[in-house]
Amino acid sequence: KQEVTQIPAALSVPEGENLVLNCSFTDSAIYNLQWFRQDPGKGLTSLLLIQSSQREQTSGRLNASLDKSSGRSTLYIAASQPGDSATYLCAVPMIKAAGNKLTFGGGTRVLVKP
Amino acid sequence: DAGITQSPRHKVTETGTPVTLRCHQTENHRYMYWYRQDPGHGLRLIHYSYGVKDTDKGEVSDGYSVSRSKTEDFLLTLESATSSQTSVYFCAISESPGGVTGELFFGEGSRLTVL
Repeated sequence: KQEVTQIPAALSVPEGENLVLNCSFTDSAIYNLQWFRQDPGKGLTSLLLIQSSQREQTSGRLNASLDKSSGRSTLYIAASQPGDSATYLCAVPMIKAAGNKLTFGGGTRVLVKP
Repeated sequence: DAGITQSPRHKVTETGTPVTLRCHQTENHRYMYWYRQDPGHGLRLIHYSYGVKDTDKGEVSDGYSVSRSKTEDFLLTLESATSSQTSVYFCAISESPGGVTGELFFGEGSRLTVL
């Protein structure tokens, strides 16, 4: 059974500092890994989708890396801003899973202090 | 933003009453999903659809049914609501199954409270 873990569960940094968010998964048989952002009381917004054949994906200040062999992905957010405060979740669809099951991590709640 | 509308956004109901949540999309995506999000459990898949009138169960489907009569609409029904179904419900869509090759897009959520 695939398990996705995000540590730490919460993170507080001063504005301007780079953010490093971790996601680990137990089964490397994944199609891709997707990072989402969730603001309080809102839905999930897709940030980056990194395919299993890719090592890295970038969008603006965001960069996601994927190391399937070690079961890890890291989301880097450069020069953090108060507007980056949110919960960040990662999710993986498993090749072996039936029923279109996307497994989510528990999320990392980020607070960027001005 | 993906064109996904959930209704109602907030609902309070009593135990034993039926409840229907609606998800409407304007993206013409084939796949639609219902998730619930609860503290300590994260996001869990309830049901999904891979086409009109084609649906299947997710990991927490007991007590829920779904219907999809049109590409754009996916309904989630609680036949007899229970307090354990108090949650935030999210609809999601994708072009490919389970986000296999494409991204998953989420609606804003429907907060359901069962008293």
